[in-house]
Amino acid sequence: GQQVMQIPQYQHVQEGEDFTTYCNSSTTLSNIQWYKQRPGGHPVFLIQLVKSGEVKKQKRLTFQFGEAKKNSSLHITATQTTDVGTYFCVSGGSNYKLTFGKGTLLTVNP
Amino acid sequence: DAGVTQSPTHLIKTRGQQVTLRCSPISGHKSVSWYQQVLGQGPQFIFQYYEKEERGRGNFPDRFSARQFPNYSSELNVNALLLGDSALYLCASSLTGGEVQPQHFGDGTRLSIL
Repeated sequence: GQQVMQIPQYQHVQEGEDFTTYCNSSTTLSNIQWYKQRPGGHPVFLIQLVKSGEVKKQKRLTFQFGEAKKNSSLHITATQTTDVGTYFCVSGGSNYKLTFGKGTLLTVNP
Repeated sequence: DAGVTQSPTHLIKTRGQQVTLRCSPISGHKSVSWYQQVLGQGPQFIFQYYEKEERGRGNFPDRFSARQFPNYSSELNVNALLLGDSALYLCASSLTGGEVQPQHFGDGTRLSIL
């Protein structure tokens, strides 16, 4: 997969605040997957986006894939302490290689 | 149903030694991928195997090798260990080897090189 850049690297919020992490690529992405890794845990698959402009929702989480398929975002509404962890965007390529971004570490103050 | 299982959970080796890590995929999953995750970084792709064939390889030296068995379990071997090989090694399985398949990760093997 192509290289992806994630921002911000860290985000600290008060419980109840919203959170957004962004994923950008200089080239067109064939697809994007999002994973969450809790501290001391392993990555857990959240969603995959394939179509240009795609928007998917999972309860308080909203995932978007840009129209040009060069960027993606994950937005969490009204964060909870259970949202703590590192969120990774992952690009998939034709050579079966998944490329993880560096992730955004979210901490939530109760 | 059991998830992806990896063994051992922790391992301590010295430089120059060799190590073998094992992974059993979720029942019914035919593809296994290996990743290396160093502290504070995202997982880096090492290999993907599907139906016992290597389908993809990341930017790792030839000291890293893997194989997949008829029951779809897999082993990752690392020879001539270096201090920089200290990391969490994650195994992930998926139904097929397709590029858009969700990956199901195991808890990993934490390898420390002294």
